[in-house]
Amino acid sequence: NAGVMQNPRHLVRRRGQEARLRCSPMKGHSHVYWYRQLPEEGLKFMVYLQKENIIDESGMPKERFSAEFPKEGPSILRIQQVVRGDSAAYFCASSERERAEQFFGPGTRLTVL
Amino acid sequence: QKEVEQNSGPLSVPEGAIASLNCTYSDRGSQSFFWYRQYSGKSPELIMFIYSNGDKEDGRFTAQLNKASQYVSLLIRDSQPSDSATYLCAVHGSSNTGKLIFGQGTTLQVKP
Repeated sequence: NAGVMQNPRHLVRRRGQEARLRCSPMKGHSHVYWYRQLPEEGLKFMVYLQKENIIDESGMPKERFSAEFPKEGPSILRIQQVVRGDSAAYFCASSERERAEQFFGPGTRLTVL
Repeated sequence: QKEVEQNSGPLSVPEGAIASLNCTYSDRGSQSFFWYRQYSGKSPELIMFIYSNGDKEDGRFTAQLNKASQYVSLLIRDSQPSDSATYLCAVHGSSNTGKLIFGQGTTLQVKP
């Protein structure tokens, strides 16, 4: 599968737990973006990363959220101490270069009980 | 004013008709424009992108860009029931990085 991969596809957490979402970009892509889609709302940018660097985190909530894209392995979006309002679909996209076309993964649907 | 605006719809067209989806944006320096299709419960799928003023055609889809009017549109010819989905307009702004700014999306219903 040469597309963007995300796992898990569905994640259920209780309030206060941690959620870790993973994203592997398309082959040949080194730019990764995370977006969040709340129920009945549009897609909102969260963070843009290249290998080992956070380029733009202007859409990330100030607390509890962090992201990384290590030299080896997938990009990780980490949400600590989840609350019900974090329930959403989290999409990862990748591109070959900055400001090029972005291709989306299948998403991780997070449910916080 | 929202950065990217779309009519939420639903836009209903009969099968075989032309569906016209519109999008306006506020950042006059925006340079790249994208249309994504999103089926319910699925992820966005890129269907068109356009960088220059004018029309760009790909199969049944035509993207139109008018930077002077800050307007981008998507035409779908010979609409099929399988085209029923939400269409998202997305923009690269002038001052930001690679992030995309999305409109709320227009729901298209194609009736057999």
